[in-house]
Amino acid sequence: GESVGLHLPTLSVQEGDNSIINCAYSNSASDYFIWYKQESGKGPQFIIDIRSNMDKRQGQRVTVLLNKTVKHLSLQIAATQPGDSAVYFCAESLYNFNKFYFGSGTKLNVKP
Amino acid sequence: GAVVSQHPSRVICKSGTSVKIECRSLDFQATTMFWYRQFPKKSLMLMATSNEGSKATYEQGVEKDKFLINHASLTLSTLTVTSAHPEDSSFYICSAREGAKQETQYFGPGTRLLVL
Repeated sequence: GESVGLHLPTLSVQEGDNSIINCAYSNSASDYFIWYKQESGKGPQFIIDIRSNMDKRQGQRVTVLLNKTVKHLSLQIAATQPGDSAVYFCAESLYNFNKFYFGSGTKLNVKP
Repeated sequence: GAVVSQHPSRVICKSGTSVKIECRSLDFQATTMFWYRQFPKKSLMLMATSNEGSKATYEQGVEKDKFLINHASLTLSTLTVTSAHPEDSSFYICSAREGAKQETQYFGPGTRLLVL
């Protein structure tokens, strides 16, 4: 399978601060990327996605940045809240979307 | 909309028995469903892709006879763990994808399997 990895396994931030979660991918042919949030004992929840023809995409309080040159993906969460505490995964897929490969995950701890 | 359910949510079984896990798309037709396995504090590992009415495509290293997948309808896929052993204990998660919106997959809540 593809290799998708994360730089930091655990990230602790203060409530109200911004969070940045990073992800590296190995397949330069991947052209679709997704960030998921997973709370303990639950299935992944879609956060935001981005196609390879974009460098940046914004959602509500979240921004995904894609740097294809270095095959790097990041998720920025603005004004992090306690409810954001979870494990975050990036996933990549090729154009046919038939397979999604997940990174190893980053646990985000939000301190009140 | 786009809700995926799994049943059961938790199951404990004895070694050697078989366990069936159901994945249902509740409000859309899922032409494709995916089955993942997740170990504690680890990422999701794709096990197989199932398309309605055809045989599942298994990832390398996943035993077809061990993990039987059936996608008999557009709203239901089942994963049967046959002759379960303690090492099969894991969190099994399914996801479903609508045919018309191919890039989006919706995840179920997962099934926690414990084999004694």
